[in-house]
Amino acid sequence: DQQVKQNSPSLSVQEGRISILNCDYTNSMFDYFLWYKKYPAEGPTFLISISSIKDKNEDGRFTVFLNKSAKHLSLHIVPSQPGDSAVYFCAASSGAQKLVFGQGTRLTINP
Amino acid sequence: GAGVSQSPSNKVTEKGKDVELRCDPISGHTALYWYRQSLGQGLEFLIYFQGNSAPDKSGLPSDRFSAERTGGSVSTLTIQRTQQEDSAVYLCASSLGPPAPLHFGNGTRLTVT
Repeated sequence: DQQVKQNSPSLSVQEGRISILNCDYTNSMFDYFLWYKKYPAEGPTFLISISSIKDKNEDGRFTVFLNKSAKHLSLHIVPSQPGDSAVYFCAASSGAQKLVFGQGTRLTINP
Repeated sequence: GAGVSQSPSNKVTEKGKDVELRCDPISGHTALYWYRQSLGQGLEFLIYFQGNSAPDKSGLPSDRFSAERTGGSVSTLTIQRTQQEDSAVYLCASSLGPPAPLHFGNGTRLTVT
């Protein structure tokens, strides 16, 4: 039962353009959503989060959008930089319950 | 300050042997999680400790897997009678408790031969 889904295993974007990573969820009880970034041989690092009471949260080049009716969230990175090349995981939780992760999307930024 | 520390960073073991993986969380963090990532897969939840509450063990794949957290700090994940399908990177994370973000260690890469 995959409650959090990232349907694109990989994405390639040209440096300077916008990267859009997508995530869908099935559990309507989820009320907190996060994005993590992972480099090889390292643990995931927290990037940005959003509460279900909001539909947008912005932090520098990173913006997360939440569409509760569609059970969909997205991460926008603009402008994309070579250092953004990594695997991105979305995650969701409900109250004090465990954090559920998607399968990840490998983002490659091309110079 | 120090982040989440996991040891060993790599472990190669023979099928059928028991292994112990250790996690030192960030001091003061009340929540501790174990996840694993198999090759080409996402992060699979294993177990979650929150303060003095009973742990959420719903992700442990079989009774060969167990974990404990002593004194609300260090945690050990034990896999008995390892199988080849147990090969994965085992990741530990800690946090101040939901909804605070998780801080991950660099993981233990377990290879069962």
